[in-house]
Amino acid sequence: GAGVSQSPSNKVTEKGKDVELRCDPISGHTALYWYRQSLGQGLEFLIYFQGNSAPDKSGLPSDRFSAERTGGSVSTLTIQRTQQEDSAVYLCASSLDRSYYGYTFGSGTRLTVV
Amino acid sequence: GQQLNQSPQSMFIQEGEDVSMNCTSSSIFNTWLWYKQEPGEGPVLLIALYKAGELTSNGRLTAQFGITRKDSFLNISASIPSDVGIYFCAGQLYDMRFGAGTRLTVKP
Repeated sequence: GAGVSQSPSNKVTEKGKDVELRCDPISGHTALYWYRQSLGQGLEFLIYFQGNSAPDKSGLPSDRFSAERTGGSVSTLTIQRTQQEDSAVYLCASSLDRSYYGYTFGSGTRLTVV
Repeated sequence: GQQLNQSPQSMFIQEGEDVSMNCTSSSIFNTWLWYKQEPGEGPVLLIALYKAGELTSNGRLTAQFGITRKDSFLNISASIPSDVGIYFCAGQLYDMRFGAGTRLTVKP
């Protein structure tokens, strides 16, 4: 596609429920990143995928968070047993590869846990 | 870890004024980047700096990669209302780390 597409754009969920956030990167971009943006905070790195290599999961805040990337394209970020502190905007970005610094971000998914 | 300290946190300026913001780190980076985020959107890359000491302009924007590789600044000249948004610095060594952002408000 022309840009990075994220869905849903907004998600309200009850505490304890699981949520799945989807990211469609730009076609041909081998690198895909998930970031979390809490209110008034910068962008917190979560996870990075590069081609078929094992993902860099070093930023995932707890084992309730997981992500996968199928076929080197679409990625899904899953949060299990959501907590109120998970409320944030989740941003996905893609780039041609890790050495290319021009990340293109999606518009994000605003997650609210009530 | 690689912490970026971005300042100021927010700025309220009059249209036509110049703006300056900066980012510092205790770690070195190979690349410094500046992004702008508007409401409801993801950050958009404004300027990328790849070499210590590099000074780069993009229209009314000017950014510099500090000689120590631990800092960068962004200047906006003659601000206009559409400059409103959150400006993030980012440093990259292996992966990219972001500052907390500078929220800019421009009064017409």
